[in-house]
Amino acid sequence: TQLLEQSPQFLSIQEGENLTVYCNSSSVFSSLQWYRQEPGEGPVLLVTVVTGGEVKKLKRLTFQFGDARKDSSLHITAAQPGDTGLYLCAGAGSGAGSYQLTFGKGTKLSVIP
Amino acid sequence: NAGVTQTPKFRILKIGQSMTLQCTQDMNHNYMYWYRQDPGMGLKLIYYSVGAGITDKGEVPNGYNVSRSTTEDFPLRLELAAPSQTSVYFCASSQGPGGEKLFFGSGTQLSVL
Repeated sequence: TQLLEQSPQFLSIQEGENLTVYCNSSSVFSSLQWYRQEPGEGPVLLVTVVTGGEVKKLKRLTFQFGDARKDSSLHITAAQPGDTGLYLCAGAGSGAGSYQLTFGKGTKLSVIP
Repeated sequence: NAGVTQTPKFRILKIGQSMTLQCTQDMNHNYMYWYRQDPGMGLKLIYYSVGAGITDKGEVPNGYNVSRSTTEDFPLRLELAAPSQTSVYFCASSQGPGGEKLFFGSGTQLSVL
């Protein structure tokens, strides 16, 4: 069974601060996705990383896939209240079971104006 | 663009009652999924389908059933509802397996009392 550990579980910061959220596993994933979920809504995909060491930027959000494809991080620069939400990482396996994504438990971010 | 539509949004059931959660998508996706989300527990896969007429169990299938008679629809049936099935249920679809982008519905909040 593949597991994804996300940390921290909760994060409350002031507007303008920087933060990093981590997603770690002992398993290798063929790709890893980051979703953001707002209250009362389903998760929405932010980014998919595929190659070990890959870095992707989405405005103030920077995503990195570990060299060994076992971990990932999400860094937010100058957080805004609109960044508030639940951030979920999800890993895709390969071969048998590749239909299923393994989700982390999420990081609940609150950005205080 | 409707995307993935789930109904109902909220439902309260008594122990032992049955109900069907409806899910339809208009993106012609072959892959469809049912997840449940419990507080602090991330998303757990209940059932998935790789095309009309084909369904398979996910991580937590007990107490649920699904059918896939058309590409568009993927209903989830709860028989003999139990308090342990109190959760938020999300339907999702994707163009391909594994690491493809998931499109989620807005969820059904179910309480079994």
